[in-house]
Amino acid sequence: LAKTTQPISMDSYEGQEVNITCSHNNIATNDYITWYQQFPSQGPRFIIQGYKTKVTNEVASLFIPADRKSSTLSLPRVSLSDTAVYYCLVGASRSNSGYALNFGKGTSLLVTP
Amino acid sequence: SAVISQKPSRDICQRGTSLTIQCQVDSQVTMMFWYRQQPGQSLTLIATANQGSEATYESGFVIDKFPISRPNLTFSTLTVSNMSPEDSSIYLCSAEGQGARGYTFGSGTRLTVV
Repeated sequence: LAKTTQPISMDSYEGQEVNITCSHNNIATNDYITWYQQFPSQGPRFIIQGYKTKVTNEVASLFIPADRKSSTLSLPRVSLSDTAVYYCLVGASRSNSGYALNFGKGTSLLVTP
Repeated sequence: SAVISQKPSRDICQRGTSLTIQCQVDSQVTMMFWYRQQPGQSLTLIATANQGSEATYESGFVIDKFPISRPNLTFSTLTVSNMSPEDSSIYLCSAEGQGARGYTFGSGTRLTVV
């Protein structure tokens, strides 16, 4: 499984765009990149998944350069409720069948007024 | 995505006793997973539970301490046996995702052993 490296913590003010970058130098050809969000006292929640270039959904955007050795989760105009831990995972197959997720340390995002 | 109901949400237990955590999924899933999360830390995989076969445990976790049942495609239990204060943690179950929507997690069980 590819190892991931992300910042331990980040701070932001409300209304700003937040970009969290994850390094995964050993990503394999078949690996997808998936981001999860975890609020205190809750289980992680799927945010977004991508393989290459850019993916956007109602919550976030995911930017993946051509070499796929890193990825950037972009949260537009964050609010206080976006304060959470964000995990970058590499390796679960797109079909998500039969693979346990291996979580790294994650990035703790604090949004303040 | 599947929805998981996990209970109890929290419990305080005496050392030497056992606690069984239950997870009910609202749809059939082949694979379920159990994790442990220490406060302020990331998730650590305990075991993978496939319906109809014995669970597969990760290094550092053994069946005698964390027996798992998976009687059907919508339910699983994890028992924390002969508890000690070191077992105080949050325990989470997870079900494999459907397509590209990712895995689903229960809300966790916060266990305190005194």
